[in-house]
Amino acid sequence: QVQLQESGPGLVKPSQTVSLTCTVSGGSINSGGYYWSWIRQHPGKGLEWIGYIYYSGTTDYNPSLKSRVSISVDTPKNQFSLRLNSVTAADTAVYYCARVRYYYERSGYRYSGSIDSWGQGTLVTVSS
Amino acid sequence: DIQLTQSPSFLSASVGDRVTITCRASQGISRYLVWYQQKPGKAPELLIYAASTLQSGVPSRFSGSGSGTEFTLTISTLQPEDFATYYCQQLNSHPFTFGPGTKVDIK
Repeated sequence: QVQLQESGPGLVKPSQTVSLTCTVSGGSINSGGYYWSWIRQHPGKGLEWIGYIYYSGTTDYNPSLKSRVSISVDTPKNQFSLRLNSVTAADTAVYYCARVRYYYERSGYRYSGSIDSWGQGTLVTVSS
Repeated sequence: DIQLTQSPSFLSASVGDRVTITCRASQGISRYLVWYQQKPGKAPELLIYAASTLQSGVPSRFSGSGSGTEFTLTISTLQPEDFATYYCQQLNSHPFTFGPGTKVDIK
């Protein structure tokens, strides 16, 4: 069973860049078929989609964060990473890495998707 | 962006109750609708995908229905471990969006 684990600094100063890494175990990022994702949750609030990456390097980002976010993949290390620059207090949140899978009928028709595995989350606080 | 709304936002219920949560999408999303359960301090866990398919290992008291723009999550007989917050999410189009959540609390 795949497991995901986030790592990175818990405290970042305003205007700096936060970098988080997700290490995947129990499965290979290279195997394809999955999209490797970042989601965040502000304290006491709901969930916000940040973006995802395919092992080939194809990415998609939430337009609300697109100008400040970058997701990359390191297939030899079986890791993927998030960089969010110019952070403010509004970026204080628990950041989750996760795996998106899609579901296909036998005909090859794609009919749904889900986040089927999540990391435990890491709290990033933006404060001077 | 596709907006998701959930109702109610808060629900007080007793063990053994039948509970229904509704998720509405601002435009049609076919069956690209999933439900998650989240407990305090934990990551969300997948309950249902494709609007109505139970994720492996999830108790059969959970069920989902709907297609297009209106979806429901039902817990047939609420158990003590079901007190949590429930989120819907659409994966039909980017950016993937989540509903605001429904907190199920003990009456």
